[in-house]
Amino acid sequence: DQQVKQNSPSLSVQEGRISILNCDYTNSMFDYFLWYKKYPAEGPTFLISISSIKDKNEDGRFTVFLNKSAKHLSLHIVPSQPGDSAVYFCAASERSGGSYIPTFGRGTSLIVHP
Amino acid sequence: KAGVTQTPRYLIKTRGQQVTLSCSPISGHRSVSWYQQTPGQGLQFLFEYFSETQRNKGNFPGRFSGRQFSNSRSEMNVSTLELGDSALYLCASSSTSGLNEQFFGPGTRLTVL
Repeated sequence: DQQVKQNSPSLSVQEGRISILNCDYTNSMFDYFLWYKKYPAEGPTFLISISSIKDKNEDGRFTVFLNKSAKHLSLHIVPSQPGDSAVYFCAASERSGGSYIPTFGRGTSLIVHP
Repeated sequence: KAGVTQTPRYLIKTRGQQVTLSCSPISGHRSVSWYQQTPGQGLQFLFEYFSETQRNKGNFPGRFSGRQFSNSRSEMNVSTLELGDSALYLCASSSTSGLNEQFFGPGTRLTVL
């Protein structure tokens, strides 16, 4: 059973508009959340994270929102650029054995059209 | 700083064989984690090593094993390969095991025929 779900396998957005990628989780023990971006033939690269004690974190064009009561987080990209076209993975972590082990969603493929 | 490197990048094996994949973390990083990525299951955690000790293990059969050397380089081994083991195997490193941000290598694409 998936503990982290990205229900939209793909998303298409026009350049300059907002991209909103969504992620839902079921495990209430998750306390740290991350977004990764993956281009073809490359490994995922870290984008932005948020701790469960916060509800928003911004980094340039990227903002992550966390709604703990709904067990939902979202990534907003404003404005979207063609170079943002990639697969985005949501990950949720819980502490285990002295480290944080992330559980990944299956990814959302974002296409930003010029 | 050089990134995470993985060798080989591509590998073709037949059922029943075994395979060893290698990962060199970013210099100074002591934590190395391995993931399996398949189209149907996404990214699944295999195991994490920190200072040569396996700290966490995912829900994979015992055919999947790993180790870490004193220079933090890591290897994972899959024995008695099955068709379902065909996947992209990703290695990720981080500076401490408590740090959430991981740096991924490009992966090894394993095809089992």
